[in-house]
Order: sequence, then C-alpha cells, then structure tokens
Amino acid sequence: KNEVEQSPQNLTAQEGEFITINCSYSVGISALHWLQQHPGGGIVSLFMLSSGKKKHGRLIATINIQEKHSSLHITASHPRDSAVYICAALASGSARQLTFGSGTQLTVLP
Amino acid sequence: SAVISQKPSRDICQRGTSLTIQCQVDSQVTMMFWYRQQPGQSLTLIATANQGSEATYESGFVIDKFPISRPNLTFSTLTVSNMSPEDSSIYLCSVVSFEKLFFGSGTQLSVL
Repeated sequence: KNEVEQSPQNLTAQEGEFITINCSYSVGISALHWLQQHPGGGIVSLFMLSSGKKKHGRLIATINIQEKHSSLHITASHPRDSAVYICAALASGSARQLTFGSGTQLTVLP
Repeated sequence: SAVISQKPSRDICQRGTSLTIQCQVDSQVTMMFWYRQQPGQSLTLIATANQGSEATYESGFVIDKFPISRPNLTFSTLTVSNMSPEDSSIYLCSVVSFEKLFFGSGTQLSVL
C-alpha cells in the first residue's frame, strides 16, 4: 500500500467547474508538495505546504496535519488546466525522502 | 527560483548501450535528485547527487547501473548503463530551492 494515496485517479470536468483533488498520507511529514505534470514529462511545482492553506490565482491548496490529508482545488477550471496533478510528501526529519502519490489525470473539456 | 536545463529530451537506444543524461542548474544547489517515472507510474527516486561525495542510491538502484557524476554545484549527469527495454522511462532531475521543488524537463528514453 502506497504511503501517499491520491483520489480520484482520473477526473473529467467541464470548463468552469470547481475541481478538487485529494491526497492522504500515512507517514509523519514536514511538508507536502503539489506538482503539475504536462504531457511530455515537464513538472511544475505548484505549492509547498506545512500547514493551513495557500492560494495562487485559481489554485488553492489546503492541508490538515491531524487528519493527514491535503486537497488541491481549482476554481473556474479551464482546458489549459488539463494535466496530471501529483502530491508528494516529505517525510519528517528527511531532506530527500519524498513519497509521491500516483497522480490524478485531469481533463477539462471546453 | 531555479531553472534546470536537461538534455537530451528524448532518445531511442539499442539494448546493451548506455545513455548519459545531463542537468545544468542556473544556481548553486547542494543536492540534486534523479528520478525515474515508468509508464503510467509515479516518480521513484533513483539517487541523490552530492557535490564532492558519492551519490546516495535508493533501494533497488545501484551505482554500476546508474552511475552519477556531480563535478560542481550546478551540474550533474546520470548514466543508464547496459540498457534493456525495462529501462524505458522518463528520467528527471530535480533540486530544492527556497523550499520549492524544481524539475528538469525530463528525458524520454525508449530502449529497443
């Protein structure tokens, strides 16, 4: 069983819809990253969270340390948001031990 | 932020040959990370490259198969040696800068 679980695996939405992607982890962490991967492999870091909530444009990321759960929200989704979204947990006390979720393939239809 | 130039972006190689992937960072970083992403899978850490010392390999990865060089704080190479079709993957380098992750654009490797 992966220590970082993402849901859903696949998500199709209509343009304009509100999107939520979930990430649960079983290890103690010092930080959680949300990443975006476009076709061809390029990965962009969206957020790094250790508590609370962060917002950047239409993207919002939250984390609940007690419940070991994080969510990534996309408001007013757009076809250009179509990508794979990956959460990655950085284990407590580690500088390098990132555990990656399996990713959520998001497709936003016009 | 950090900008990483990774090359080649893709290659098709014959079984038994080796391929060296390069990553150049526009700033000095202590650790560089090399990942493999097999088709349909998430990222798996191969090794951590430290300047001035041997790379630290994760379980299941060995130096003879994936030798790494780190000659300075801005550059690293990963070699995939004696390739087989099972090595067909995307290979990515990554650094951490100001608590954010930065990735190279990836090398799509296909082994025939």
